[in-house]
Amino acid sequence: DQQVKQNSPSLSVQEGRISILNCDYTNSMFDYFLWYKKYPAEGPTFLISISSIKDKNEDGRFTVFLNKSAKHLSLHIVPSQPGDSAVYFCAASDFNKFYFGSGTKLNVKP
Amino acid sequence: EAGVAQSPRYKIIEKRQSVAFWCNPISGHATLYWYQQILGQGPKLLIQFQNNGVVDDSQLPKDRFSAERLKGVDSTLKIQPAKLEDSAVYLCASRRTGGSTDTQYFGPGTRLTVL
Repeated sequence: DQQVKQNSPSLSVQEGRISILNCDYTNSMFDYFLWYKKYPAEGPTFLISISSIKDKNEDGRFTVFLNKSAKHLSLHIVPSQPGDSAVYFCAASDFNKFYFGSGTKLNVKP
Repeated sequence: EAGVAQSPRYKIIEKRQSVAFWCNPISGHATLYWYQQILGQGPKLLIQFQNNGVVDDSQLPKDRFSAERLKGVDSTLKIQPAKLEDSAVYLCASRRTGGSTDTQYFGPGTRLTVL
């Protein structure tokens, strides 16, 4: 049973435009959500997080939106840069345990 | 601050052989996780430690996998005997406490290939 889903395996965006990565979850008990970025041959790197009591969190070019009623979160990258090309994982936590989506490979074209 | 360290980075073994992975978490992080990431999938939790005690090992195939965290710091994950389907990246992560908004930080992973 996959509690966190990323339905788009890949996304291609032109440099300077917005990248929107989506994630859906099924467990209403999740109270903390995170996005990780992963380059080849490296471990996932923490990017941004949001608590379930908020609906938006911003950090520079990265913004995460949470829609609890739809059980949906999204990551917006504006403007996208070629260095953002990586696999992005969303994760959800119910206190101690983390559940990961299968990842979306973002390609930002120069 | 030093990150999560893992070794080896790569390992190739034949099926039915044994293998062990090592992890050193970020200093002061009480919680340690081992994940298995199969190509094209997200990380799947194998085992979680809080200090040197096991919090969750419900998805650890205990007939062949074992893990320990002596003295609540370093941890080792062992597979004995390995199967072809164990080919994956094994990720170690650590977290300061078990608090719900504490972020977990990952090591670089060990890529295991079982032939």
